[in-house]
Amino acid sequence: EPEVTQTPSHQVTQMGQEVILRCVPISNHLYFYWYRQILGQKVEFLVSFYNNEISEKSEIFDDQFSVERPDGSNFTLKIRSTKLEDSAMYFCASSGGRVNQPQHFGDGTRLSIL
Amino acid sequence: AQRVTQPEKLLSVFKGAPVELKCNYSYSGSPELFWYVQYSRQRLQLLLRHISRESIKGFTADLNKGETSFHLKKPFAQEEDSAMYYCALNSRGAQKLVFGQGTRLTINP
Repeated sequence: EPEVTQTPSHQVTQMGQEVILRCVPISNHLYFYWYRQILGQKVEFLVSFYNNEISEKSEIFDDQFSVERPDGSNFTLKIRSTKLEDSAMYFCASSGGRVNQPQHFGDGTRLSIL
Repeated sequence: AQRVTQPEKLLSVFKGAPVELKCNYSYSGSPELFWYVQYSRQRLQLLLRHISRESIKGFTADLNKGETSFHLKKPFAQEEDSAMYYCALNSRGAQKLVFGQGTRLTINP
């Protein structure tokens, strides 16, 4: 069964540094998402992406965050200047060609900011 | 505002006993509800969606619009059901899931 894959599984970065989290969505999916889960808290929506542009974003997704689909397979989340509070598990998800199709999640990237 | 509430952070039952994981939602329109499960060291997986009206791994969930609930039930718990369970809401036309806090279910032998 096709899966969403995320790399790296764990990223440790100094505060203030830029970090890029990578995702390969399921190949025939058209909607892409990023979520995050701070330790002990709920999974929170960050951003959705469709047709090469952001379709919806939360208030968490400020100017420090950006997303990109640099080629036909990857979907990346960049945090420009990391803060301690960015430490969290980041999940990528993708869904099929219609709105409200089930979202399929990757294993997540654990981001630790020192 | 959309909100999903799972009142129990932890739930522990014995094998063979019935299980009910509670989920209540707040949304003024017509929502789509999901249950996701996360087994130890694995990814979030879709367990159920309300429009499918199906039973997966013995679990069922019925959307009750009057009580704004989508409780997950299983008549006889099995040890392999131990996992983290998340209720999630997707409003019609939106492209984001709003998650509850999650309930950690432990099935005791």
